[in-house]
Amino acid sequence: SAVISQKPSRDICQRGTSLTIQCQVDSQVTMMFWYRQQPGQSLTLIATANQGSEATYESGFVIDKFPISRPNLTFSTLTVSNMSPEDSSIYLCSVVREGGYGYTFGSGTRLTVV
Amino acid sequence: ELKVEQNPLFLSMQEGKNYTIYCNYSTTSDRLYWYRQDPGKSLESLFVLLSNGAVKQEGRLMASLDTKARLSTLHITAAVHDLSATYFCKGAQKLVFGQGTRLTINP
Repeated sequence: SAVISQKPSRDICQRGTSLTIQCQVDSQVTMMFWYRQQPGQSLTLIATANQGSEATYESGFVIDKFPISRPNLTFSTLTVSNMSPEDSSIYLCSVVREGGYGYTFGSGTRLTVV
Repeated sequence: ELKVEQNPLFLSMQEGKNYTIYCNYSTTSDRLYWYRQDPGKSLESLFVLLSNGAVKQEGRLMASLDTKARLSTLHITAAVHDLSATYFCKGAQKLVFGQGTRLTINP
């Protein structure tokens, strides 16, 4: 399975600022995904990061708030913009290889907004 | 819209006992995933169930899939403390997760 390096592992940010989370994979992958896990909750898919085109966002998530980049098949970033305390969560990236079925998750970014 | 429901959401059991976690999903899904999450950690993939009737086993954990009933089960045999974690199932459509089952195994 793919190995993912996700950075930063945690951060404490002031409200109104933005944070960019990076996800680097050790091999080319077709699909990359970004999830949010609020404290004590399950995971919710934010968007699918598409290489060479705009990300596909799920209901309740918008590009202005969560801009995503995917410049190549091994790297993606998620930005949490204009943060408020409600954005305090764990953010995880996930990948699956083309033709594969198993999803691998990054180690997560624990974000606290104060 | 796919909905995935797990039960129970919380499970406290004694070492050595057997128990089953259930995962029901609302629309057709030809595959189902199970993950484990330890506190403060990311998700670890346990099983990928690819077809109706699929059964997979790893150690004390066994997962099965019944696509006609839209049901997957995760069975724990002779539980040990190390299996304490939160377990999630996930459907293939829209990658929707269940709520998670927080499993605590007491000595």
